[in-house]
This record gives sequence, structure tokens and C-alpha cells, in this order.
Amino acid sequence: KAGVTQTPRYLIKTRGQQVTLSCSPISGHRSVSWYQQTPGQGLQFLFEYFSETQRNKGNFPGRFSGRQFSNSRSEMNVSTLELGDSALYLCASSPQTGGVMNTEAFFGQGTRLTVV
Amino acid sequence: EDKVVQSPLSLVVHEGDTVTLNCSYEVTNFRSLLWYKQEKKAPTFLFMLTSSGIEKKSGRLSSILDKKELFSILNITATQTGDSAIYLCAATSGTYKYIFGTGTRLKVLA
Repeated sequence: KAGVTQTPRYLIKTRGQQVTLSCSPISGHRSVSWYQQTPGQGLQFLFEYFSETQRNKGNFPGRFSGRQFSNSRSEMNVSTLELGDSALYLCASSPQTGGVMNTEAFFGQGTRLTVV
Repeated sequence: EDKVVQSPLSLVVHEGDTVTLNCSYEVTNFRSLLWYKQEKKAPTFLFMLTSSGIEKKSGRLSSILDKKELFSILNITATQTGDSAIYLCAATSGTYKYIFGTGTRLKVLA
């Protein structure tokens, strides 16, 4: 079974630009979560999707948005990039069945975004 | 606000030592506590704990949850250089997210 796939792996963008990151979950997993990881901050929750519905959103500005498609693939978009958005963006999928988070999450390799 | 706190933030030991990593949590409607190992980028799953006092083991790693005192520990015995990583602890609640701590960076010297 293929793991969680994130593309691209690395990205360099200029301040003010926008970026779209992609995540393909493990086959059969309907829950996809996104996290931002920066040194000293740990993994900060961005949002979680299940069956194309956003069920929860973290404390990030509206420049951060996401969506999930009918095949469970997810994208996140960051508009008007700032230097502080430089981070590792991790996507995780889990075989949730619709209820609460009662299983482990499986992570992709992440997208390293550098804003210059 | 829900939070997970890990200690120590970093740790340097020698091969063969035993280490104990701590994770405390304050989470409304707590469901489970998970441990992950992050060596380069993708955190890899170690344990998921839902019941208090029941130890989970995998080789040299073990973990236990105390739901009364709201903490968990991860023990690694006979450490090896390959154990060097960031160890992440996360809690789940009824809010469709995993709440992560900042992690403990472990370095094992040969």
C-alpha cells in the first residue's frame, strides 16, 4: 500500500506570491490533516478534512486555506506569502470512519517551503 | 485551550543508557495519547494509548498512560545511535485534530 504522498517536496517562493501544496492520502483513508512545523514550535494544526468537509481549523490567518476532493486528495493554499510562512508542511491521513479521532495518523514526507 | 507539553526539550545520552521522555496534557474530552518518532521529515507512529496503566511495548520502547495525572512516558532502554530523533507526543479529543507537543530531541552518542 502506498504511503501518504506530498508534492512538491521543496519549494522556494517570493514574498507576496501564493503557493498550493498537494497531499494524496493512503488509499481508503478519508481523513486528511495538515500541520505546519517550525523549529521550536512543534506541529501546529492547520485544518482537517473528512469526505470533502472541513471539520476543524487551527488558529491561522485566512491566507491559509484548503480543500479536499472526492478521491480524498487534499490541497492547501497559502496566499500573499510572508517570510514567517517558511516551514515544513506535513500532511497526515487516517482511516477515520467519521467519528472522533480514534486511530493513528500516517504522515507524508512533507513539503519544505522557503519564502524569500 | 488544549495543550500538550513535553519534557525535556532535548537530551543527550550515550549508547546503552535508558531514557524516559515525558508528556503531559490538558485536553478537553481526551480520547487518546500517541507517540511518534521523527528522524528527518515524516513522523512515524510508535504507540497509541487509550487506557490508563496498561503498558505498550515494542522492542526496547515502551509507553504508559496515566489518565488521572494526565501524563504519559516513553521509555527507551539500551539506547542506540539509531534512536536519535525528535519524539513527538500528541493527544486527541473530540475536535477532529491531533494536538502535538513541541517534541523532545534525543541524541544518542556512540
